[in-house]
Amino acid sequence: QSALTQPASVSGSPGQSITISCTGTSSDVGGYNYVSWYQQHPGKAPKLMIYDVSNRPSGVSNRFSGSKSGNTASLTISGLQAEDEADYYCSSYTSSSTLEVFGTGTKVTVL
Amino acid sequence: QVQLQESGPGLVKPSQTLSLTCTVSGGSISSGGYYWSWIRQHPGKGLEWIGYIYYSGSTYYNPSLKSRVTISVDTSKNQFSLKLSSVTAADTAVYYCARARYSGSLKFDYWGQGTLVTVSS
Repeated sequence: QSALTQPASVSGSPGQSITISCTGTSSDVGGYNYVSWYQQHPGKAPKLMIYDVSNRPSGVSNRFSGSKSGNTASLTISGLQAEDEADYYCSSYTSSSTLEVFGTGTKVTVL
Repeated sequence: QVQLQESGPGLVKPSQTLSLTCTVSGGSISSGGYYWSWIRQHPGKGLEWIGYIYYSGSTYYNPSLKSRVTISVDTSKNQFSLKLSSVTAADTAVYYCARARYSGSLKFDYWGQGTLVTVSS
C-alpha cells in the first residue's frame, strides 16, 4: 500500500486561502468518504483537524474545511494565520489489508 | 481530558526487541469504544500506522510489520504496550501512542507526545 500523494509544500500570505491536495486511488480516497487531516507543529504530536472528508472535531477553527472529488481530497485553510504554519497529513481508510494509509505530508509556510 | 504518555528505552541495539508502554489517564481503556494504536514517524518523514488493540485484547497490525509486532493491553494499569522484534536502523523513529475512534475508519483524536527510539549498537 503506497502512501497518499501530497504536495511537498504550499505557501501563502496571512489572510489568504490555500488548498492542500491528497491523491489516492479508488481503493482508498476515491472509494470511501473516510479521509482525515492532521496538523503537526515541529516537535509536536499530530492533531486531528478534519475527519470523514469534511467534518471538524469540536474546537477546530472553521477556517479549516475539507472536500473530495474523485480520488483527490483537499484541505482548505482560509484566512491564513501565522499559527497555521505546520505540516499537514491526510489519511484514508483503504480496502487493502493495511486498513489506514497516511499521505506524504505537506509543509505549509505562511509568508 | 484524555492524556497518553509513552515510556520506554530511547536506544535499542540492532536485532533486539523494542518495547514501549503507553499510559492512559483521564479515561479508561476498559470502557470500550476506542482502538488504542501505535503510530511511528521516521525522522523528517511521514506517519506510519503500526497497529491497534481493543480493550478486549483483539488486535490488528499493519501487514508490513505484522510478523514483528505485538501489541498488548493491561486494563488494570490502564496501559497498552508495543513490542517490535528484530529491529534494524530502519526502525529508528518517533513512536506515538494514540486513541482512535473507529467509524468506517480510524480517527486518531488523542495522541501522546511521542518518544524517539534510536536503533544503534
